Amino acid sequence: AQSVTQPDIHITVSEGASLELRCNYSYGATPYLFWYVQSPGQGLQLLLKYFSGDTLVQGIKGFEAEFKRSQSSFNLRKPSVHWSDAAEYFCAVGNQAGTALIFGKGTTLSVSS
Amino acid sequence: SAVISQKPSRDICQRGTSLTIQCQVDSQVTMMFWYRQQPGQSLTLIATANQGSEATYESGFVIDKFPISRPNLTFSTLTVSNMSPEDSSIYLCSSGGAGGSYGYTFGSGTRLTVV
Repeated sequence: AQSVTQPDIHITVSEGASLELRCNYSYGATPYLFWYVQSPGQGLQLLLKYFSGDTLVQGIKGFEAEFKRSQSSFNLRKPSVHWSDAAEYFCAVGNQAGTALIFGKGTTLSVSS
Repeated sequence: SAVISQKPSRDICQRGTSLTIQCQVDSQVTMMFWYRQQPGQSLTLIATANQGSEATYESGFVIDKFPISRPNLTFSTLTVSNMSPEDSSIYLCSSGGAGGSYGYTFGSGTRLTVV
């Protein structure tokens, strides 16, 4: 079955500390991978996406993610977290045909001062 | 990437009534998707809307409750019918289709509260 797993439901990091959010996927086709962020009461904002090529992709707001095919993972990282990064983060998988994205359950990020 | 305008952004509705949500895309897209996000939950696909054919619904969603129209390649509507408080959610539309590299744009969402 096709699925996306975000193992961490809730993560708290200190402001200025590094961050890694985990994402694993199970997908039959060549995956297109995405990370979205959602602030309370807001819509989805695309952080970054991976289709092919360089497995380390850079996104907005200083985020990056690394695609590891052997581990079926697409973990999101940020070297120094800001209080404004507190939000819900969703990993999703799609494909070249553009069929509907499959979303993980999300990880809530809290930032402590 | 396509840009999607979704409206209304939020609404408070009485139970038993219906609400129609509209999504307008600034370019032609072959597929559009409708998602529901219940409070504190992830996104769940309701249906896929293709122009010129009936929408394809996911398990647990039916056309009588969530009728969808897709009259052309730039527009789609989702109606939430005979609403109950359990329908209180954020509803989002998304584009898709061939060449997914430029697809997967989301509307800003409709926050629905049923009282």
